[in-house]
Amino acid sequence: EPEVTQTPSHQVTQMGQEVILRCVPISNHLYFYWYRQILGQKVEFLVSFYNNEISEKSEIFDDQFSVERPDGSNFTLKIRSTKLEDSAMYFCASSVAGGGETQYFGPGTRLLVL
Amino acid sequence: AQKITQTQPGMFVQEKEAVTLDCTYDTSDPSYGLFWYKQPSSGEMIFLIYQGSYDQQNATEGRYSLNFQKARKSANLVISASQLGDSAMYFCAMREGSYARQLTFGSGTQLTVLP
Repeated sequence: EPEVTQTPSHQVTQMGQEVILRCVPISNHLYFYWYRQILGQKVEFLVSFYNNEISEKSEIFDDQFSVERPDGSNFTLKIRSTKLEDSAMYFCASSVAGGGETQYFGPGTRLLVL
Repeated sequence: AQKITQTQPGMFVQEKEAVTLDCTYDTSDPSYGLFWYKQPSSGEMIFLIYQGSYDQQNATEGRYSLNFQKARKSANLVISASQLGDSAMYFCAMREGSYARQLTFGSGTQLTVLP
């Protein structure tokens, strides 16, 4: 069964460093998403991406964040200058279409900023 | 106001019994979708079941069913014949509007299945 994959599974970085989180969505899916979950808290939407551009973003997704689909398979989230409060689990998700289509989540990348 | 409310931080159920996890939602949009996800201790988010606001019947997927009460704005998850592997965090989520894509999640319910 096709699934969303994410690398790395864990990342430790120093405050102020740039990190890139990578995702390979399900191959026939057209919409891609990033969510984050701070430890012990609810899952929060960051951004959705379709047709090589951002379609929605939350107030969390500020100028420190960017997303890119550098090739036909990868979807990346870049955090330019990490802060302590960026420590969280980051989930990539994809769906066939937008709207009511089910979003399938990857296993997550646990980011720890020291 | 919270868009998704899960009032049970923790629930216990005996193996092989049924359990209901509560979820209430708040939206003024007539078009919305409700989702349930399972998060085991390993951390991944597993899709369980979906209910659209215009669906006439309650959704079912194997041992999972959704008790959708539109007038009460509730979308409770029912797990029948609980198994030890059902022990996990369960999140209710909502997508508002016909074209919106972002999901808004509740705070989750930690379910523990007892042998």
